[in-house]
Amino acid sequence: QAVLTQPSSLSASPGASASLTCTLRSGLNIDTYRIYWYQQKPGSPPQYLLRYKSDSDKQQGSGVPSRFSGSKDVSANAGILLISGLQSEDEADYYCLVWHSSAPVFGGGTKLTVL
Amino acid sequence: QVHLVQSAAEVKKPGASVKVSCKASGYTFTTYGINWVRQAPGQGLEWMGWISAHNGNTNYAQNFQGRVTMTTDTSTTTAYMELTSLGSDDTAMYYCARDVDVLTAIPAYWGQGTLVIVSS
Repeated sequence: QAVLTQPSSLSASPGASASLTCTLRSGLNIDTYRIYWYQQKPGSPPQYLLRYKSDSDKQQGSGVPSRFSGSKDVSANAGILLISGLQSEDEADYYCLVWHSSAPVFGGGTKLTVL
Repeated sequence: QVHLVQSAAEVKKPGASVKVSCKASGYTFTTYGINWVRQAPGQGLEWMGWISAHNGNTNYAQNFQGRVTMTTDTSTTTAYMELTSLGSDDTAMYYCARDVDVLTAIPAYWGQGTLVIVSS
């Protein structure tokens, strides 16, 4: 079982909010992990968005709008990237990452469609 | 601002090696590490490893141990990634990325990518 699981796709409407989930493998405790999020548009390298572990341990990437935020759903053992006020330019692939067993591990990515 | 410029695309035959460079600027090179991440066509991101530009310490992903070598040249603020025994499944975009914070091995500032095609 993969360390991180992300839904392959998600659709949302302009102006709405989108919650992208990143589920940690069963047996691992999401509470102890920092979750990093990246956005990648076609033909471009990934862009670092933010880090979230808790409200007291979080970091916004340089120049990243505040409508991108992180949280956790402890009951689901998942990290969440919340994008509010969706814009067409938010259409992209989104990846989560955690540090696990002495190495960074990426989730498989979620393709967000804004329509 | 942080700027990473990678070398041009490469076409290699199976069994050959490739060496990709990553020229850094806009920060103190030796303060941060450099990660290498690859992305096969239409696929997700795969972390390959990390090198400290401070002392050359490395941490390679298990999938690449024995086949990858990461180095830095502090005089030219350039990082290098060499991958040997190439196979067709090594065809991918290869990215270098500077750490988000000092010596964290978490990529944050990315180069533009270097496409490596392995084909006979």
